[in-house]
Formats: sequence, structure tokens, C-alpha cells
Amino acid sequence: GQNIGQPTEMTATEGAIVQINCTYQTSGFNGLFWYQQHAGEAPTFLSYNVLDGLEEKGRFSSFLSRSKGYSYLLLKELQMKDSASYLCAVRDQRGNAGKSTFGDGTTLTVKP
Amino acid sequence: ETGVTQTPRHLVMGMTNKKSLKCEQHLGHNAMYWYKQSAKKPLELMFVYNFKEQTENNSVPSRFSPECPNSSHLFLHLHTLQPEDSALYLCASSQEGANYGYTFGSGTRLTVV
Repeated sequence: GQNIGQPTEMTATEGAIVQINCTYQTSGFNGLFWYQQHAGEAPTFLSYNVLDGLEEKGRFSSFLSRSKGYSYLLLKELQMKDSASYLCAVRDQRGNAGKSTFGDGTTLTVKP
Repeated sequence: ETGVTQTPRHLVMGMTNKKSLKCEQHLGHNAMYWYKQSAKKPLELMFVYNFKEQTENNSVPSRFSPECPNSSHLFLHLHTLQPEDSALYLCASSQEGANYGYTFGSGTRLTVV
């Protein structure tokens, strides 16, 4: 089975940096994804990690440590539009049909 | 436009009704998924189709019946639902070997009365 943990809520200030953590215990591992979901909308893909280390993509970066079952999403230069829910998801097998299990999501509120 | 289109966006149905949700993807992906998103709960996987063959049924009650006529279209047939089935139903697609995760549709907000 899969067990994924994320903080429920976080608050940060516009222009600041915020780190959202994700821990996982899974029966299989073939990649970890981060998605962003604004209220009332579908999740959208942000990042993918399958090897240890940091992946940077503009203002967003994602880190993975497979030995620790740990990932984080780092958001820099926060903007008001970054207020959303951030979902951590683990894919459990090879191939595109490998299903992803999602964490509960972290609701981030960015304040002026 | 996300490339994955779901209809209807909103649906209200009685417990004795039969309705269907439709999903279409225009991305050439070969896997499609149904997820359920309820308030205060994580996304729950319901069904997985790979090359239009069902590869996963995550212990979903039989009142939910999926259909995948081809790799581009996915349906979820609903009958005799319960009020606790009210949720956002999300369709997603993905591609073999891709590292960009799922592409989700906008979802169908279902209310069972």
C-alpha cells in the first residue's frame, strides 16, 4: 500500500520562499509528482522526480531523497496567484499505466 | 484547453437515475484514469485503462461502471448512486515513458440528491 504525508495548511508572504514537504511509504516507487490545484479547478502538473536530487523549473524546484522517502516543493518569489493546494503523488510501477497515489494536499495561502 | 475534455461540468441526479460522464483526450495518450475527489479527502483512484483495456479497478462499487471504447474516450456510467457519492470526478490521461505526469480534465461536479 501507499502512505503519503503532507502538512494540511501553510501560510506565507508575497515575495517570500516556502517549502512544502512530502513523506511517503510505498510498496513500489517509480517517480514522485507535484501538482497544483486552484480551488474549483483540475490539478495541473508541476514537477517530476525519479532520481535523488533537485529539479529546478523557474520559480519552482522539487527535491527527492528515495532513501528517506522524502520530497519537498520549493516555491520562490511567491505571488498571490500561488495560493492553491499542492498535491504530492507517488507512481508505483513502471509504464504509463502505473497508477499514482495522492497525498491529502497542502493548502497554501499567500498574503500581501 | 487542457487537452482532456470532460462533460458535463456539473450534474445533479436522483438516487434512482442513470447518467454517464464522458471524457475525451486529444493528446494521443494511451492510458486513461478515473479519480474521485471528495472534500477533505485525497484523490482516490477508481479505474485505470491502458490501450483501452482495464488494468485496475480499485474496489469500486458496481454502481459505477466504466467503459473505454478506444484510447481517446472514457465513460463512467452511474446508476442508483448514494448521496455519499457526491464528489468531483476527474478524468486523466498519461503517456508511456513520459515524465510529465497526468493531464487532468476539468472534472464533473456530481451531486446526488
